[in-house]
Amino acid sequence: DTAVSQTPKYLVTQMGNDKSIKCEQNLGHDTMYWYKQDSKKFLKIMFSYNNKELIINETVPNRFSPKSPDKAHLNLHINSLELGDSAVYFCASSQFDRRGYGYTFGSGTRLTVV
Amino acid sequence: EDQVTQSPEALRLQEGESSSLNCSYTVSGLRGLFWYRQDPGKGPEFLFTLYSAGEEKEKERLKATLTKKESFLHITAPKPEDSATYLCAVQATGNTDKLIFGTGTRLQVFP
Repeated sequence: DTAVSQTPKYLVTQMGNDKSIKCEQNLGHDTMYWYKQDSKKFLKIMFSYNNKELIINETVPNRFSPKSPDKAHLNLHINSLELGDSAVYFCASSQFDRRGYGYTFGSGTRLTVV
Repeated sequence: EDQVTQSPEALRLQEGESSSLNCSYTVSGLRGLFWYRQDPGKGPEFLFTLYSAGEEKEKERLKATLTKKESFLHITAPKPEDSATYLCAVQATGNTDKLIFGTGTRLQVFP
């Protein structure tokens, strides 16, 4: 299936731990993103990569470090996790075609910090 | 500052009762306005992109329209399976590729 897939779907961890979320897309898109959805369902961009190059870093704490080994993968590593990091994290990819910009989102990773 | 506001926050409809969701936006220049549907525990699913005032797009019971200040998502004769959160987002010109989202409208359709 063509899609944006991210793992794990659920992540429960203690404060102070370091964790990673992985994302892969097989759509051939050039641009990938990480978005954060808070408890009020508000989606906000964190990072954007175009062909492995960082394009957007939306004033995210430097405990969050994205890594793009190739244009099909964008991982998110979080150091020293805090309670306020609890949220759903969505990976997405996009490509401009003749219909316009097409964004595809993954199914999300629910991170709970206890 | 670029901003998106959606109303109402929540909407309860009887099956077959048509209604509209509103998305008001403020951007320096609009590159595109997007509508997404999000079901619980899932990622946003793309519905429409609108690019210029006056543009309309339809898909089954949904129709999206766009003016210079707002967009409407009209739902005609909704069914219970249309229950979801509907998200509006804008992409501003010169703003790379990021989407600025509203907080969504949670729609419940009862049989």
